[in-house]
Amino acid sequence: GDSVTQMEGPVTLSEEACLTINCTYTATGYPSLFWYVQYPGEGLQLLLKATKADDKGSNKGFEATYRKETTSFHLEKGSVQVSDSAVYFCALSSSSGGYNKLIFGAGTRLAVHP
Amino acid sequence: KAGVTQTPRYLIKTRGQQVTLSCSPISGHRSVSWYQQTPGQGLQFLFEYFSETQRNKGNFPGRFSGRQFSNSRSEMNVSTLELGDSALYLCASSLGQFTRDTEAFFGQGTRLTVV
Repeated sequence: GDSVTQMEGPVTLSEEACLTINCTYTATGYPSLFWYVQYPGEGLQLLLKATKADDKGSNKGFEATYRKETTSFHLEKGSVQVSDSAVYFCALSSSSGGYNKLIFGAGTRLAVHP
Repeated sequence: KAGVTQTPRYLIKTRGQQVTLSCSPISGHRSVSWYQQTPGQGLQFLFEYFSETQRNKGNFPGRFSGRQFSNSRSEMNVSTLELGDSALYLCASSLGQFTRDTEAFFGQGTRLTVV
């Protein structure tokens, strides 16, 4: 079945460091890909998405490119802030039986220190 | 515009009891999906409702059920609670039927603890 694999955390960075969180997927068909962020005590917020190969999603300085050839959707940010500390989930929209649902990776916890 | 509202935020129940969780989607949204989040299994899809009909169901036992009302509000029910049902239950709403491009808006979740 469809699945998403993320790099294990936690990822600990100093403020202004570069961030990359790896995400690869397995899917039949052509899914859309998403990054969601979960701040402590909160639900999930959509960070960015890409709906077809070579699309780049971007938001709040984060970006990710849909790479069909490597089945990847890595999240990147050039300079992280303390406020970026959260858990990041990579997800794909999976269609089975004609209906779609989100399939999530395990999540990667990011801790940014001043 | 109010976001997705889930009530209650926290719940403690005893094994064997049943529980009902509520979700009010964003105004105008007609699709509601439910997800279970646990440290061991991560985020797993429970079911999706659209126009009061269950469109899709995840791989959970029949103890997990749900429904949607004409105003799009949704409830999920878990009967005969087990310790393993302790989790954060997240509700997500979307404007129309959930498709490959749909943006889902999540609530803050209900933290259920079974003792």
